[in-house]
Order: sequence, then structure tokens, then C-alpha cells
Amino acid sequence: GQQVMQIPQYQHVQEGEDFTTYCNSSTTLSNIQWYKQRPGGHPVFLIQLVKSGEVKKQKRLTFQFGEAKKNSSLHITATQTTDVGTYFCAGGFQKLVFGTGTRLLVSP
Amino acid sequence: GAVVSQHPSRVICKSGTSVKIECRSLDFQATTMFWYRQFPKKSLMLMATSNEGSKATYEQGVEKDKFLINHASLTLSTLTVTSAHPEDSSFYICSASPEYTPSYEQYFGPGTRLTVT
Repeated sequence: GQQVMQIPQYQHVQEGEDFTTYCNSSTTLSNIQWYKQRPGGHPVFLIQLVKSGEVKKQKRLTFQFGEAKKNSSLHITATQTTDVGTYFCAGGFQKLVFGTGTRLLVSP
Repeated sequence: GAVVSQHPSRVICKSGTSVKIECRSLDFQATTMFWYRQFPKKSLMLMATSNEGSKATYEQGVEKDKFLINHASLTLSTLTVTSAHPEDSSFYICSASPEYTPSYEQYFGPGTRLTVT
């Protein structure tokens, strides 16, 4: 079946440093969604990308969808302690296949 | 944004008993809801798709007789873990998406932490 892997599994940064998580699918994706899950919380939708090569920005967050629609990335510029959590990519529109997730820890 | 609630938030039950978890869409109707399972520090694994007025669709490897799903109304889906065992201990999360949402973003409930002793 479809597998969606994310790297790194875990990253610990100092506040102000940048952070990137990469998402790779074993099959071509129709779309990619990104979610953030705070410790002890539930996933919260961040964004959806649909077009090949699409790039979207949300303040300090930049999302990219690969040309081949098999990979995606999330880049956070100048991390803040509020960015702490696990970031998941997910393929699909309603029935989602979640990536393995990247846990981000930000030290002040 | 849309709100999805779950009840209970935590439950501890004895091995062999059954536990029912409710998932409600509070401010929208959902013909479809999804049930996920999440182990500590792991990803979400889709268990089943709950369809209002019809049978749920289960993912491969998920026992439908063990995880009973009922979607009796447009705002409520229930997941019943029958004859629970310690290995069923996990975090169960539901999600739903309002039909008016063009991007099909899923709204997740706060989750139910099940501990089977």
C-alpha cells in the first residue's frame, strides 16, 4: 500500500533557527495536506497543496509540493517556542494517509 | 472553524469489557467521518470510514467485529471497542469535514485515550 515517510523523525533547534521537514510518498499524490499536532493535542490543518510545483506561504511557514507530486516540504523560518509539536503531511482529500511525522522541539 | 467533539476524553476499562467512544460534529453535518488510531509518538493510522446511514468501510487489517462503528445521524458517529484487551490501549481520534469546505480539510476531535487493564 501507499507509504508516506517523513524525515527527520525528530529535530531539536534553538529559537530563531530554521527548520525543515521533508515528506516522501511511494506513489504519486493527488494532493498533500499538512497538519500540526501539539503535545497531547489533536492534528490541526495547516494547508493543502494540489498543483505540481506549488509553493504556499503562511507567515514564517513555506510549503512546497514537488514537481512529480511525490514529495513535499515544510520550512519554518526563525522558529519560535510556539512552533513545538509534530508536523504531519498527509495524502488524500478526505481519507488521509498520514506521513510518519516530524517532532519539533524548540528551546528558548 | 468547524468543531468536532469526542467523548469521553479518557477511559480506563477492564480487559473483556466494551467501550463506546462518541464523535460529534457540533456545528456542521457530516455524512462521512473517519476514525484513526495513534500510538505514543507515532503517526495516525486510519481505521475506518464511517458513513451515515450505511455500513462503515474498514481498512485492511482492522477487525470490523472488534471495532464496531455506527453513524446513526449526520452529527454523530460511535466507535465501540468490543471485548477490549490491553493491546487495544491507544489514542483514538475521529475527524470530519464540512461539505462546504473546498479543500476537504479535516477537523479532528480532541481524541480519546483508552487504557485497558
